[in-house]
Amino acid sequence: AQKITQTQPGMFVQEKEAVTLDCTYDTSDQSYGLFWYKQPSSGEMIFLIYQGSYDEQNATEGRYSLNFQKARKSANLVISASQLGDSAMYFCAMRGARGGGADGLTFGKGTHLIIQP
Amino acid sequence: NAGVTQTPKFQVLKTGQSMTLQCAQDMNHNSMYWYRQDPGMGLRLIYYSASEGTTDKGEVPNGYNVSRLNKREFSLRLESAAPSQTSVYFCASNIDRLAGELFFGEGSRLTVL
Repeated sequence: AQKITQTQPGMFVQEKEAVTLDCTYDTSDQSYGLFWYKQPSSGEMIFLIYQGSYDEQNATEGRYSLNFQKARKSANLVISASQLGDSAMYFCAMRGARGGGADGLTFGKGTHLIIQP
Repeated sequence: NAGVTQTPKFQVLKTGQSMTLQCAQDMNHNSMYWYRQDPGMGLRLIYYSASEGTTDKGEVPNGYNVSRLNKREFSLRLESAAPSQTSVYFCASNIDRLAGELFFGEGSRLTVL
């Protein structure tokens, strides 16, 4: 079975600082994908970034980067130069390999990030 | 672009009542999903449909039924609602069950009294 662990229920960060949101995962699959989603207070789920298990380089999307450490089974999200609009819930999620259990994504419990001015 | 559309957005039910949550996507996606979100629990998969004509149970299927009406539409039915089903429900879709990110609807907040 797959499992995603996010150990930071909440974080307070000063505006313009960099933020690292922790995510560790557990899977027996050799091929898998890792995702981060943002959920602002309005409630919608916004896809941020994706990392494949065989990708050699860490994924980046604008101010978001994914610090992928395969041996440690971690996939931390890094937000550079945080902004007030980054305040939201952030979810780490994983998809396993073909044939490995139920489809869809397995989500962690989330980290509530609050950016302070 | 509409993307994934869910209805209704809000619903209050009494214990034992039934209701159906509707979901439609206009992105020609093959796979569709229903999740529920509870405080402190993240999102948990209820049912999914890998392709038109197929449905399968996810992590928390008890008390729910689904119908993949056609490629666009995937509905979730509560036959006899219970207070434990009070939650926010999300429909999602992706091009293929093993590729690409999930695109989510805006969510449906259901309260069962």
